[in-house]
Amino acid sequence: NAGVTQTPKFQVLKTGQSMTLQCAQDMNHEYMSWYRQDPGMGLRLIHYSVGAGITDQGEVPNGYNVSRSTTEDFPLRLLSAAPSQTSVYFCASSYSGGGRYNEQFFGPGTRLTVL
Amino acid sequence: AQTVTQSQPEMSVQEAETVTLSCTYDTSENNYYLFWYKQPPSRQMILVIRQEAYKQQNATENRFSVNFQKAAKSFSLKISDSQLGDTAMYFCAYQSYNTDKLIFGTGTRLQVFP
Repeated sequence: NAGVTQTPKFQVLKTGQSMTLQCAQDMNHEYMSWYRQDPGMGLRLIHYSVGAGITDQGEVPNGYNVSRSTTEDFPLRLLSAAPSQTSVYFCASSYSGGGRYNEQFFGPGTRLTVL
Repeated sequence: AQTVTQSQPEMSVQEAETVTLSCTYDTSENNYYLFWYKQPPSRQMILVIRQEAYKQQNATENRFSVNFQKAAKSFSLKISDSQLGDTAMYFCAYQSYNTDKLIFGTGTRLQVFP
Protein backbone atom coordinates (compact mmCIF):
# COMPACT_ATOMS: atom_id res chain seq x y z
CA ASN A 1 0.00 0.00 0.00
CA ALA A 2 1.92 3.03 -1.29
CA GLY A 3 -0.73 5.60 -0.29
CA VAL A 4 -0.64 8.78 -2.37
CA THR A 5 2.34 9.15 -4.67
CA GLN A 6 3.42 12.20 -6.64
CA THR A 7 5.98 12.55 -9.39
CA PRO A 8 8.25 14.32 -9.90
CA LYS A 9 9.46 15.60 -6.51
CA PHE A 10 11.19 18.60 -8.07
CA GLN A 11 10.85 20.27 -11.45
CA VAL A 12 12.24 23.38 -13.11
CA LEU A 13 10.45 24.76 -16.17
CA LYS A 14 10.93 27.70 -18.45
CA THR A 15 8.09 30.12 -19.03
CA GLY A 16 5.73 28.77 -21.67
CA GLN A 17 6.67 25.11 -21.28
CA SER A 18 4.05 22.53 -20.48
CA MET A 19 4.16 19.65 -18.09
CA THR A 20 2.04 17.21 -16.14
CA LEU A 21 2.28 16.56 -12.42
CA GLN A 22 1.34 12.99 -11.67
CA CYS A 23 -0.72 11.82 -8.70
CA ALA A 24 -1.78 8.26 -7.96
CA GLN A 25 -3.41 6.51 -5.03
CA ASP A 26 -3.96 2.83 -4.35
CA MET A 27 -6.63 3.09 -1.66
CA ASN A 28 -9.64 3.12 -4.02
CA HIS A 29 -10.53 6.63 -2.89
CA GLU A 30 -13.26 8.42 -4.77
CA TYR A 31 -12.15 11.96 -3.88
CA MET A 32 -8.88 13.42 -5.15
CA SER A 33 -7.68 16.99 -5.13
CA TRP A 34 -4.78 19.28 -5.96
CA TYR A 35 -3.54 22.11 -3.76
CA ARG A 36 -0.81 24.65 -4.18
CA GLN A 37 1.16 25.97 -1.21
CA ASP A 38 2.69 29.42 -1.32
CA PRO A 39 4.48 31.27 1.51
CA GLY A 40 2.02 33.16 3.68
CA MET A 41 -1.00 31.78 1.85
CA GLY A 42 -1.45 28.27 3.17
CA LEU A 43 -2.78 25.57 0.87
CA ARG A 44 -5.29 26.58 -1.78
CA LEU A 45 -7.47 24.19 -3.72
CA ILE A 46 -6.84 24.10 -7.48
CA HIS A 47 -9.10 21.30 -8.78
CA TYR A 48 -10.84 18.30 -7.32
CA SER A 49 -12.66 15.16 -8.40
CA VAL A 50 -15.30 13.04 -6.68
CA GLY A 51 -14.89 10.10 -9.03
CA ALA A 52 -13.71 8.95 -12.44
CA GLY A 53 -14.98 11.27 -15.16
CA ILE A 54 -15.97 14.02 -12.69
CA THR A 55 -13.83 17.09 -12.02
CA ASP A 56 -14.52 20.57 -10.73
CA GLN A 57 -12.70 23.80 -10.06
CA GLY A 58 -11.39 24.91 -6.72
CA GLU A 59 -10.29 28.31 -5.52
CA VAL A 60 -7.38 28.91 -7.95
CA PRO A 61 -8.00 26.88 -11.16
CA ASN A 62 -6.66 29.31 -13.79
CA GLY A 63 -3.71 27.94 -15.75
CA TYR A 64 -4.33 24.33 -14.75
CA ASN A 65 -6.23 21.44 -16.31
CA VAL A 66 -7.17 18.09 -14.82
CA SER A 67 -8.83 14.89 -15.90
CA ARG A 68 -9.86 11.75 -14.06
CA SER A 69 -10.02 8.77 -16.38
CA THR A 70 -9.40 6.20 -13.65
CA THR A 71 -10.06 6.05 -9.92
CA GLU A 72 -6.34 5.78 -9.20
CA ASP A 73 -4.89 8.70 -11.18
CA PHE A 74 -5.48 12.44 -11.13
CA PRO A 75 -2.87 14.32 -13.21
CA LEU A 76 -2.50 18.09 -13.11
CA ARG A 77 -1.50 19.77 -16.37
CA LEU A 78 0.17 23.12 -16.84
CA LEU A 79 -0.34 24.03 -20.49
CA SER A 80 1.89 27.13 -20.57
CA ALA A 81 3.85 27.59 -17.36
CA ALA A 82 4.20 31.05 -15.84
CA PRO A 83 6.46 32.28 -13.01
CA SER A 84 3.32 32.79 -10.89
CA GLN A 85 2.91 29.01 -10.89
CA THR A 86 6.12 28.55 -8.95
CA SER A 87 4.87 26.72 -5.88
CA VAL A 88 4.73 23.45 -3.99
CA TYR A 89 1.90 21.23 -5.22
CA PHE A 90 0.14 18.65 -3.10
CA CYS A 91 -2.24 15.92 -4.14
CA ALA A 92 -4.68 14.47 -1.61
CA SER A 93 -7.26 11.70 -1.62
CA SER A 94 -10.01 10.30 0.58
CA TYR A 95 -13.17 8.29 0.51
CA SER A 96 -16.09 10.52 -0.37
CA GLY A 97 -19.45 10.97 1.21
CA GLY A 98 -21.11 13.83 3.01
CA GLY A 99 -22.13 13.52 6.58
CA ARG A 100 -19.29 11.32 7.74
CA TYR A 101 -15.62 11.88 8.34
CA ASN A 102 -13.18 10.68 5.70
CA GLU A 103 -9.53 11.32 6.46
CA GLN A 104 -7.62 12.93 3.62
CA PHE A 105 -4.21 11.51 2.78
CA PHE A 106 -1.60 13.78 1.26
CA GLY A 107 1.18 13.01 -1.16
CA PRO A 108 4.76 14.17 -0.50
CA GLY A 109 4.45 17.22 -2.74
CA THR A 110 6.13 18.50 -5.90
CA ARG A 111 8.27 21.63 -5.81
CA LEU A 112 7.89 23.44 -9.14
CA THR A 113 10.00 26.40 -10.22
CA VAL A 114 9.14 28.35 -13.36
CA LEU A 115 11.91 30.58 -14.64
CA ALA B 1 -17.93 31.16 1.77
CA GLN B 2 -15.98 29.78 4.67
CA THR B 3 -12.66 31.30 5.74
CA VAL B 4 -9.96 30.27 8.19
CA THR B 5 -7.65 32.80 9.85
CA GLN B 6 -4.39 32.16 11.67
CA SER B 7 -3.11 35.45 13.03
CA GLN B 8 0.24 34.22 14.34
CA PRO B 9 2.72 33.78 11.48
CA GLU B 10 5.49 32.62 13.81
CA MET B 11 5.79 31.41 17.37
CA SER B 12 8.52 29.96 19.51
CA VAL B 13 8.58 27.93 22.69
CA GLN B 14 11.18 26.34 24.88
CA GLU B 15 11.39 22.58 25.10
CA ALA B 16 9.05 21.09 27.77
CA GLU B 17 6.92 24.26 27.87
CA THR B 18 3.35 24.69 26.65
CA VAL B 19 2.32 26.73 23.62
CA THR B 20 -1.06 27.63 22.15
CA LEU B 21 -1.68 28.31 18.47
CA SER B 22 -4.75 30.33 17.52
CA CYS B 23 -7.26 29.81 14.76
CA THR B 24 -10.56 31.50 13.99
CA TYR B 25 -12.97 30.66 11.22
CA ASP B 26 -16.06 32.03 9.64
CA THR B 27 -19.02 29.94 8.54
CA SER B 28 -22.78 29.98 8.51
CA GLU B 29 -22.96 26.20 8.70
CA ASN B 30 -23.82 24.28 11.82
CA ASN B 31 -22.13 20.97 10.99
CA TYR B 32 -18.47 20.80 10.04
CA TYR B 33 -15.05 19.47 10.96
CA LEU B 34 -11.99 21.36 12.11
CA PHE B 35 -8.43 20.10 11.88
CA TRP B 36 -4.88 20.91 12.81
CA TYR B 37 -2.22 19.69 10.39
CA LYS B 38 1.51 19.64 11.02
CA GLN B 39 4.02 20.15 8.21
CA PRO B 40 7.60 19.44 9.30
CA PRO B 41 10.60 20.36 7.13
CA SER B 42 10.06 17.11 5.21
CA ARG B 43 6.99 18.84 3.73
CA GLN B 44 4.67 15.93 4.53
CA MET B 45 1.20 16.95 5.75
CA ILE B 46 0.38 15.15 9.00
CA LEU B 47 -3.04 15.22 10.65
CA VAL B 48 -2.58 16.17 14.31
CA ILE B 49 -6.11 16.40 15.64
CA ARG B 50 -9.71 16.59 14.51
CA GLN B 51 -12.81 18.19 16.07
CA GLU B 52 -16.38 17.57 15.02
CA ALA B 53 -18.54 20.64 15.47
CA TYR B 54 -21.46 18.81 17.03
CA LYS B 55 -19.25 17.50 19.84
CA GLN B 56 -18.91 19.86 22.78
CA GLN B 57 -16.01 17.96 24.27
CA ASN B 58 -12.61 19.21 23.17
CA ALA B 59 -10.51 16.70 21.25
CA THR B 60 -7.25 15.43 22.74
CA GLU B 61 -4.43 13.40 21.23
CA ASN B 62 -1.60 12.75 23.69
CA ARG B 63 0.22 16.10 24.16
CA PHE B 64 -2.09 17.90 21.71
CA SER B 65 -5.45 19.31 22.71
CA VAL B 66 -7.84 21.86 21.32
CA ASN B 67 -10.02 24.57 22.77
CA PHE B 68 -13.10 24.61 20.55
CA GLN B 69 -15.43 27.57 21.09
CA LYS B 70 -18.23 27.14 18.57
CA ALA B 71 -20.08 30.35 19.32
CA ALA B 72 -16.90 32.38 19.07
CA LYS B 73 -15.74 30.37 16.03
CA SER B 74 -12.41 29.76 17.63
CA PHE B 75 -10.28 26.62 17.47
CA SER B 76 -6.90 26.83 19.22
CA LEU B 77 -4.28 24.10 19.52
CA LYS B 78 -2.39 23.55 22.76
CA ILE B 79 0.87 21.63 22.67
CA SER B 80 2.03 20.50 26.10
CA ASP B 81 5.57 19.40 27.00
CA SER B 82 6.87 20.73 23.68
CA GLN B 83 9.52 18.65 21.98
CA LEU B 84 12.13 19.54 19.38
CA GLY B 85 10.26 17.33 16.93
CA ASP B 86 7.24 19.63 17.21
CA THR B 87 9.13 22.25 15.19
CA ALA B 88 6.99 22.62 12.07
CA MET B 89 4.42 24.67 10.24
CA TYR B 90 0.93 24.17 11.66
CA PHE B 91 -2.19 24.65 9.59
CA CYS B 92 -5.74 24.99 10.81
CA ALA B 93 -8.33 23.64 8.35
CA TYR B 94 -12.12 23.53 7.93
CA GLN B 95 -14.30 21.01 6.15
CA SER B 96 -18.05 21.17 5.64
CA TYR B 97 -20.09 18.08 6.41
CA ASN B 98 -21.43 17.94 2.87
CA THR B 99 -18.20 18.32 0.90
CA ASP B 100 -14.74 16.80 0.91
CA LYS B 101 -12.97 20.12 0.32
CA LEU B 102 -10.54 21.41 2.93
CA ILE B 103 -10.09 25.14 3.55
CA PHE B 104 -6.76 26.01 5.10
CA GLY B 105 -5.49 28.93 7.12
CA THR B 106 -2.20 30.58 6.26
CA GLY B 107 -0.23 28.63 8.86
CA THR B 108 1.84 29.28 11.98
CA ARG B 109 5.52 28.41 11.98
CA LEU B 110 6.46 26.98 15.38
CA GLN B 111 10.06 26.77 16.54
CA VAL B 112 10.88 24.72 19.62
CA PHE B 113 14.15 25.72 21.29
CA PRO B 114 16.28 23.48 23.55
